[in-house]
Amino acid sequence: DAGITQSPRHKVTETGTPVTLRCHQTENHRYMYWYRQDPGHGLRLIHYSYGVKDTDKGEVSDGYSVSRSKTEDFLLTLESATSSQTSVYFCAISESRSEGPSSYEQYFGPGTRLTVT
Amino acid sequence: RKEVEQDPGPFNVPEGATVAFNCTYSNSASQSFFWYRQDCRKEPKLLMSVYSSGNEDGRFTAQLNRASQYISLLIRDSKLSDSATYLCVVLRWGHNQGGKLIFGQGTELSVKP
Repeated sequence: DAGITQSPRHKVTETGTPVTLRCHQTENHRYMYWYRQDPGHGLRLIHYSYGVKDTDKGEVSDGYSVSRSKTEDFLLTLESATSSQTSVYFCAISESRSEGPSSYEQYFGPGTRLTVT
Repeated sequence: RKEVEQDPGPFNVPEGATVAFNCTYSNSASQSFFWYRQDCRKEPKLLMSVYSSGNEDGRFTAQLNRASQYISLLIRDSKLSDSATYLCVVLRWGHNQGGKLIFGQGTELSVKP
């Protein structure tokens, strides 16, 4: 299994509070991603990183920010949590041995179950 | 229309059956293709990449038809342990920014004794 951990694994928080989720990898992979998964929507990309301090938005980035100050850590922050952000959050990492699509593989962390009340 | 569409299922099959999942994608610029498996409340796991020539891994066969923008997964001799949701995934590659995966909503498979 790829060396990816997420913390916390479960969290319950109140509307309006800030929340930070952490993704840590031991694979030294260049690319890291945050997804959310909701019934009826499948997996949707929130933000991704293509290097230290290099990040970009995914399809559902509103209300979320990210930071990557080290290769191994990618943080997802909900500045002011809302009930619509109740979800399962997955971190993923990837590398491409040829720096192209032909050898690309992506691996997922175990997920964080977040409930905003 | 979703960029990646799959049969929603659920597929309920007996042990030993052969089952096929289909998937279509709308963006012809998609460059690589995958099947992931996801067990209930767990993370998706890469099952296999899909190549234009078709590829096989044990009981699993994946095929890609770029002209029709169609991907398939065939599972032969189904086992109880194959019960899961199968996700069809395509890759959009961005030079210098790596790849973004686009996921279908998944097809649920339940294999019964």
